[in-house]
Amino acid sequence: SYELTQPPSVSVSPGQTARITCSGDALPKQYAYWYQQKPGQAPVLVIYKDTERPSGIPERFSGSSSGTTVTLTISGVQAEDEADYYCQSADSSGTYRVFGGGTKLTVL
Amino acid sequence: QVTLRESGPALVKPTQTLTLTCTFSGFSLNTSGMCVSWIRQPPGKALEWLAHIDWDDDKYYSTSLKTRLTISKDTSKNQVVLTMTNMDPVDTATYYCARSLGSDDGFDIWGQGTMVTVSS
Repeated sequence: SYELTQPPSVSVSPGQTARITCSGDALPKQYAYWYQQKPGQAPVLVIYKDTERPSGIPERFSGSSSGTTVTLTISGVQAEDEADYYCQSADSSGTYRVFGGGTKLTVL
Repeated sequence: QVTLRESGPALVKPTQTLTLTCTFSGFSLNTSGMCVSWIRQPPGKALEWLAHIDWDDDKYYSTSLKTRLTISKDTSKNQVVLTMTNMDPVDTATYYCARSLGSDDGFDIWGQGTMVTVSS
């Protein structure tokens, strides 16, 4: 079955830039989506269609895509950004959704 | 305002069938392109997509669970129902429903989730 691969953890100091990657063979064909999940809460969409930011999401969140890897970038990380982040996409047929394993962002 | 809310039993016994209901408001599943999915998350683990149903009643299931899952909709009640047969302790998880605006689109609005424990 199709898989998306994320690093288990990323750590940054406040004010620095955090980059979280997500790799998958079908990413050149399928859009990626990113979700932020804080403890005890439902996930929140922070990036859609690789690079678009929903209304209400701070501008420090951005997305990019290159080949089989997509990247979520958080510029000027704040303490409130500490959370788990999940990428999500679809298989090459577009039929089946899949999530990455999640990345825990720690703000030092 | 778009909202989704999951409901169902908090505790089921092994081998039983789980039935979860997603009741939504602020949109219609009769609208072209609209979809509702079910997603679960075992404690401390990653999200796992389970199934989704489209506005035109197309249904898609996780390949690893498709023999155990059934998804259906009742547009008059604004509800989507998921049944999962032969429940096992490994199915203990928080179950979410979520909306997407296209069959291959992301999930823009999520319910708060409902925790289901499988134990005898």
